[in-house]
Amino acid sequence: GDSVTQMEGPVTLSEEAFLTINCTYTATGYPSLFWYVQYPGEGLQLLLKATKADDKGSNKGFEATYRKETTSFHLEKGSVQVSDSAVYFCALSEGQGGSEKLVFGKGTKLTVNP
Amino acid sequence: NAGVTQTPKFQVLKTGQSMTLQCAQDMNHEYMSWYRQDPGMGLRLIHYSVGAGITDQGEVPNGYNVSRSTTEDFPLRLLSAAPSQTSVYFCASSSGGSKPPQYFGPGTRLTVL
Repeated sequence: GDSVTQMEGPVTLSEEAFLTINCTYTATGYPSLFWYVQYPGEGLQLLLKATKADDKGSNKGFEATYRKETTSFHLEKGSVQVSDSAVYFCALSEGQGGSEKLVFGKGTKLTVNP
Repeated sequence: NAGVTQTPKFQVLKTGQSMTLQCAQDMNHEYMSWYRQDPGMGLRLIHYSVGAGITDQGEVPNGYNVSRSTTEDFPLRLLSAAPSQTSVYFCASSSGGSKPPQYFGPGTRLTVL
């Protein structure tokens, strides 16, 4: 079945450092890909998405590019802030545009120190 | 709009007890779903619904029941609680068409002793 593999955390960075969180996927079709963020004590929020190969999703300074050839969707941010400290989840759903059924990675905890 | 609301926020049960986790949304979303979040496991889909009167199983449905009598409400029932059901439960919703859940509730932390 479909699956998502994220780099294991936790990841600890200093403010203004460059962030990369790796995500690779396995899917039989052409999935849509997503990054969700979970701030402490809160539910998940959709951060960004990409629905087809070579699409780039972006939001709040975060970016991720759908790479079909490497089955990857790595999350990047050029300069992290303390407020970015959270758990980040990579996810996929079947088909372009997605569906209500999501497959999640295990999550990567990011801590940004001042 | 209140978004997606869940009650209770915390619950402790004894093995064998039953209870219902409540979920409601006021955005008139057709799609609603329940996930559980366990350490190191990410989120796993329990049940989902594509509209009132229609439900289907997700990845880990055993031990849980759902119903969808209205568009707004999607309760999750634990029939006979087990320690393996200790988890954080999230309800989610999304609007019409093929879209992933955009809105998650704040979660219910359940402990089964």
